[in-house]
Amino acid sequence: KAGVTQTPRYLIKTRGQQVTLSCSPISGHRSVSWYQQTPGQGLQFLFEYFSETQRNKGNFPGRFSGRQFSNSRSEMNVSTLELGDSALYLCASAPIADPYNEQFFGPGTRLTVL
Amino acid sequence: KQEVTQIPAALSVPEGENLVLNCSFTDSAIYNLQWFRQDPGKGLTSLLLIQSSQREQTSGRLNASLDKSSGRSTLYIAASQPGDSATYLCAVFFGNEKLTFGTGTRLTIIP
Repeated sequence: KAGVTQTPRYLIKTRGQQVTLSCSPISGHRSVSWYQQTPGQGLQFLFEYFSETQRNKGNFPGRFSGRQFSNSRSEMNVSTLELGDSALYLCASAPIADPYNEQFFGPGTRLTVL
Repeated sequence: KQEVTQIPAALSVPEGENLVLNCSFTDSAIYNLQWFRQDPGKGLTSLLLIQSSQREQTSGRLNASLDKSSGRSTLYIAASQPGDSATYLCAVFFGNEKLTFGTGTRLTIIP
């Protein structure tokens, strides 16, 4: 069974641009969560989607948004990029409606903002 | 504030030794606790999930324990190997439906 996949793996953008990251969960998984990892702040929760609905949201500005499609694939968008948005963005999937179920992470997208 | 702490930040041990990694959390009312490893520049690999009703979980050379009353979990690695070198992260579900992560312990196994 294929794992969680994320595309692209690497991105370089400039300040003010916007970016869209994609996550495909493990087949059959319906919950998708997004996390930001930086050296200074560690891993921080962005949001979680289940059955196309945002079920939970972290403490990030409105420039960070996401959505989930009917096939459970999810996208995350960051508008008006800032230098501080440079990070590894990780996506995790879980199989069932229980929000406390085991999480399986993808390889991440490394975003660099210049 | 619900927090997860991992001490030490870095640990080096000779190959073949058994070792213990520590994780502490501020709120005993947790749902689940999950241990991960992360190799440099890579994503997270799930190692073990301990549900709040469990005291320990085992997978191969790994054993994780959970003591909610003291706010602690340990990850025991038996007969360490160079391939075990990685950063180990502890993450807790505190009941707000999101994982709260510790800052990790960077483990180096010396051949």
